[in-house]
Amino acid sequence: GDSVTQMEGPVTLSEEAFLTINCTYTATGYPSLFWYVQYPGEGLQLLLKATKADDKGSNKGFEATYRKETTSFHLEKGSVQVSDSAVYFCALSSGGSNYKLTFGKGTLLTVNP
Amino acid sequence: DTEVTQTPKHLVMGMTNKKSLKCEQHMGHRAMYWYKQKAKKPPELMFVYSYEKLSINESVPSRFSPECPNSSLLNLHLHALQPEDSALYLCASSRTVTNEKLFFGSGTQLSVL
Repeated sequence: GDSVTQMEGPVTLSEEAFLTINCTYTATGYPSLFWYVQYPGEGLQLLLKATKADDKGSNKGFEATYRKETTSFHLEKGSVQVSDSAVYFCALSSGGSNYKLTFGKGTLLTVNP
Repeated sequence: DTEVTQTPKHLVMGMTNKKSLKCEQHMGHRAMYWYKQKAKKPPELMFVYSYEKLSINESVPSRFSPECPNSSLLNLHLHALQPEDSALYLCASSRTVTNEKLFFGSGTQLSVL
């Protein structure tokens, strides 16, 4: 079945540091890939998405590229801020339906001033 | 209005109580979802409604009873819960079940004593 593996957290960075959170997936067919972010005490928000190989999703300075050859969708940001502190979930959707949205375990990011 | 509103934000209930969680959206979305999220875990899908009809029940115990009275509202009725049911309950919506952008509410933090 489908699965998503994220790097174990927590990740602690200083402000303006470079961020990478690794995500790899296993799926049949051609899934869509997502990063969701959950701020403390909040629900999840879609951060970015990519629907086919070599697509790059980007939003708020975050980027991730759909790499079919390595089955990866790593999240990057060049310069993190304290306000980026949150839990980040990598997810995939296969079959073109939200019924099959599979989440990774989540990575807690803490950014210190 | 791009919000999914959930009430109450916090709920404490005993094992013999009956309570309801409410979710509302005014984005014209025709797919609505209930997720359960335990601390430091990803969300787990419970129910999916599509055009006000229950489409998916992910083998959820009958002490959880969903209801979709109209296209804007989604309820989750709770009865005879167990302490292990304590979790954050998230509502989400999307334009349809095949539209992959999910909008999440902030959740109801439920404690069962």
